[in-house]
Amino acid sequence: AQTVTQSQPEMSVQEAETVTLSCTYDTSESDYYLFWYKQPPSRQMILVIRQEAYKQQNATENRFSVNFQKAAKSFSLKISDSQLGDAAMYFCAYRIRGTGTASKLTFGTGTRLQVTL
Amino acid sequence: EPEVTQTPSHQVTQMGQEVILRCVPISNHLYFYWYRQILGQKVEFLVSFYNNEISEKSEIFDDQFSVERPDGSNFTLKIRSTKLEDSAMYFCATIQGGTENSPLHFGNGTRLTVT
Repeated sequence: AQTVTQSQPEMSVQEAETVTLSCTYDTSESDYYLFWYKQPPSRQMILVIRQEAYKQQNATENRFSVNFQKAAKSFSLKISDSQLGDAAMYFCAYRIRGTGTASKLTFGTGTRLQVTL
Repeated sequence: EPEVTQTPSHQVTQMGQEVILRCVPISNHLYFYWYRQILGQKVEFLVSFYNNEISEKSEIFDDQFSVERPDGSNFTLKIRSTKLEDSAMYFCATIQGGTENSPLHFGNGTRLTVT
């Protein structure tokens, strides 16, 4: 079974600074997708960034980037130039590739990010 | 941008009662999911649904739960006899399909409180 671990229950960053959220996962599969979702106080789940495991290049979306280390099964999220609106719960998630579109997401326990002035 | 719509936003029910949570998927989406999040815990997969049948379900999704798409638009989750431990946020999510890396679109969730 696949598991996703987020070892940082809470993180804090000052506005305009950079923060990195950690995620590790365990799988015997070689081909999969990894995601970071943001959950603000409104409780909606918002996709931040995704990475295909077969791609060596790290995904980037504006101020958000990932450090994907396949051998180490590590998938960290870096937020640059942090803004107050980045304050939220962040979930790392995993999904097998090659089993069809209906395959489920497996989530980590989340990291609560606080952004301070 | 099209959204997944969930109703109600908050449902309070007594233990033992039946509840139906509703979801209106994005119109051209073909794959539907229910996830739940107990307060302060991680998001857990309940069930996936495609072509009018369940594709996969988790251990949580026991005989008390059922899903259907009765009218081709709404996608519903029914809990037959609610228990206190069913109190959680329930998220509907949909995927357009066609490619496996299609992003999952989540609704805003229904907060279920069982008293």
